[in-house]
Amino acid sequence: ETGVTQSPTHLIKTRGQQVTLRCSSQSGHNTVSWYQQALGQGPQFIFQYYREEENGRGNFPPRFSGLQFPNYSSELNVNALELDDSALYLCASSFGRVAEAFFGQGTRLTVV
Amino acid sequence: KQEVTQIPAALSVPEGENLVLNCSFTDSAIYNLQWFRQDPGKGLTSLLLIQSSQREQTSGRLNASLDKSSGRSTLYIAASQPGDSATYLCAVSPMDSNYQLIWGAGTKLIIKP
Repeated sequence: ETGVTQSPTHLIKTRGQQVTLRCSSQSGHNTVSWYQQALGQGPQFIFQYYREEENGRGNFPPRFSGLQFPNYSSELNVNALELDDSALYLCASSFGRVAEAFFGQGTRLTVV
Repeated sequence: KQEVTQIPAALSVPEGENLVLNCSFTDSAIYNLQWFRQDPGKGLTSLLLIQSSQREQTSGRLNASLDKSSGRSTLYIAASQPGDSATYLCAVSPMDSNYQLIWGAGTKLIIKP
């Protein structure tokens, strides 16, 4: 059984660019949630995908978008990057929308 | 609106001590509460999940309790070791949310050898 994996682990982008982050869910899990974590703070919910449909969304602008694929892996896309988008982006998978969440190691995004 | 608070923000204790980390939440209508560990710059490791109908869960030297009526959870760590040094976060899954977890800011724990 493989855990949750995220790629890339680190990324540096320029303001205004677009970025795609990827997440492979744990085997058997059908739900993926994305979180943004600023330094020294708890994670903030971006959105959740359940069986390929967006199932809930936090207080993030539309330039944050995502996808879930038939194998339940997921992508987070961020357009028109801003300096404040610099953060650790965490992906969690679970079997069900309120089940125990298992997290990947995160992608550290730096916007310069 | 659900809010989660963790006190203290930081804690430093000698190796071998038993310790308690606290988590409080404002709305008792939750599906579950989860405790996580985070090492610097890393992802989150799930430690324990307590369903709303449960009072406690145990895993090795860790014991987590849940008192929904008072909006409190504690994480008890027995016989602490330097390898336990990390930030510990609690998160609740509220019933009226859009399936998101609501997080505390964490307690940074340092175990001194």
